[in-house]
Amino acid sequence: DQQVKQNSPSLSVQEGRISILNCDYTNSMFDYFLWYKKYPAEGPTFLISISSIKDKNEDGRFTVFLNKSAKHLSLHIVPSQPGDSAVYFCAASGGDYDRGSTLGRLYFGRGTQLTVWP
Amino acid sequence: GAGVSQTPSNKVTEKGKYVELRCDPISGHTALYWYRQSLGQGPEFLIYFQGTGAADDSGLPNDRFFAVRPEGSVSTLKIQRTERGDSAVYLCASSLVGGTQSSYNEQFFGPGTRLTVL
Repeated sequence: DQQVKQNSPSLSVQEGRISILNCDYTNSMFDYFLWYKKYPAEGPTFLISISSIKDKNEDGRFTVFLNKSAKHLSLHIVPSQPGDSAVYFCAASGGDYDRGSTLGRLYFGRGTQLTVWP
Repeated sequence: GAGVSQTPSNKVTEKGKYVELRCDPISGHTALYWYRQSLGQGPEFLIYFQGTGAADDSGLPNDRFFAVRPEGSVSTLKIQRTERGDSAVYLCASSLVGGTQSSYNEQFFGPGTRLTVL
């Protein structure tokens, strides 16, 4: 049961334009959300995060939006650059207290391959 | 400072063999996580250590998988009687403390060990 879903396996955007990556989740107990970026043969690197008490967090060219009622978050990259080409993973933590699962465990989506072309 | 390191970077083994994968977390990080990433999927949680003890091992797929962290630093993931379905990239991550994720307690990932079971 995939609790974090990224329904677009790939996205192609021209340099300078906006990239919008989407993510949906099913577990209403999730309280912290993250985006990771991954280059080939490297581990995921943290990009930006948002707590469930906020609906927006901005860091330079990257903005994450959270819509709790829709259980949806998105990552906006403006302007997109060729170096942004990578796989982007959405992740969530929290919840699952009934199973005794510890906080800190991350639930990942399948990732979206972003390609930014000149 | 040094990031999370994992050895070996690649491991090829035959079905039925035993393998050990090693993770060196960032110095001073008390929490350590193992994830597994199969082709086309996002990282999937396996086990989480807080210090020397396994705080959550609910992600281990079966009793062929075992992990230790005897001194609260280096961790070893052990897989007995390997099967072809165990082929994946095994990722290790560490964070400053265990528990709730936050912008001050993000998980840093290593480059992973690519395990291939023939």
